[in-house]
Amino acid sequence: GAGVSQSPSNKVTEKGKDVELRCDPISGHTALYWYRQSLGQGLEFLIYFQGNSAPDKSGLPSDRFSAERTGGSVSTLTIQRTQQEDSAVYLCASSPEGRTSYQETQYFGPGTRLLVL
Amino acid sequence: SQQGEEDPQALSIQEGENATMNCSYKTSINNLQWYRQNSGRGLVHLILIRSNEREKHSGRLRVTLDTSKKSSSLLITASRAADTASYFCATVINNAGNMLTFGGGTRLMVKP
Repeated sequence: GAGVSQSPSNKVTEKGKDVELRCDPISGHTALYWYRQSLGQGLEFLIYFQGNSAPDKSGLPSDRFSAERTGGSVSTLTIQRTQQEDSAVYLCASSPEGRTSYQETQYFGPGTRLLVL
Repeated sequence: SQQGEEDPQALSIQEGENATMNCSYKTSINNLQWYRQNSGRGLVHLILIRSNEREKHSGRLRVTLDTSKKSSSLLITASRAADTASYFCATVINNAGNMLTFGGGTRLMVKP
């Protein structure tokens, strides 16, 4: 596709339920990032995948959050036992990874707006 | 905590005027990037400036970087109503991976 896509666009869930958010990066991009944007915390890094390397999970706020990237392409962010403070917009980005300005630019998807009731 | 702080938090100007937004950060960086966001949706990359660069231009955008002051500015010249959006600076911190660390953003409103 032409850009990064995310699904669903919006998700409403009840406290305690698990949710899965999907990201399709731009074809050929080796790096994939998840960020979260909330009113209280602004834009925060969550997790980063680069090629076949072990992901950088340093931004995950708790062990209820996990992510995987299958086949070096699609990624799924899973939030278990959701809490109201998990309500936010979850943004995915991808980049080609390299040393030129173009390759370091991150291309963002439209985000998934999660509301936990 | 966020790496960057932006000021002002909100800016309202008339069409045709210039808009200047500032960003400060705390640690040594590899590069600094500016992004735009409309209505809480996806972020659009505007410009990237490396730590060894001092100024870059792209169309009506001008970005400066002062690593001694750990600050950057984004200037939008001859603003248009369509420039109304939130603008974020983001840094890639040296030796900390390629993830972006964002500032709090500036909400720009350009009145027609």
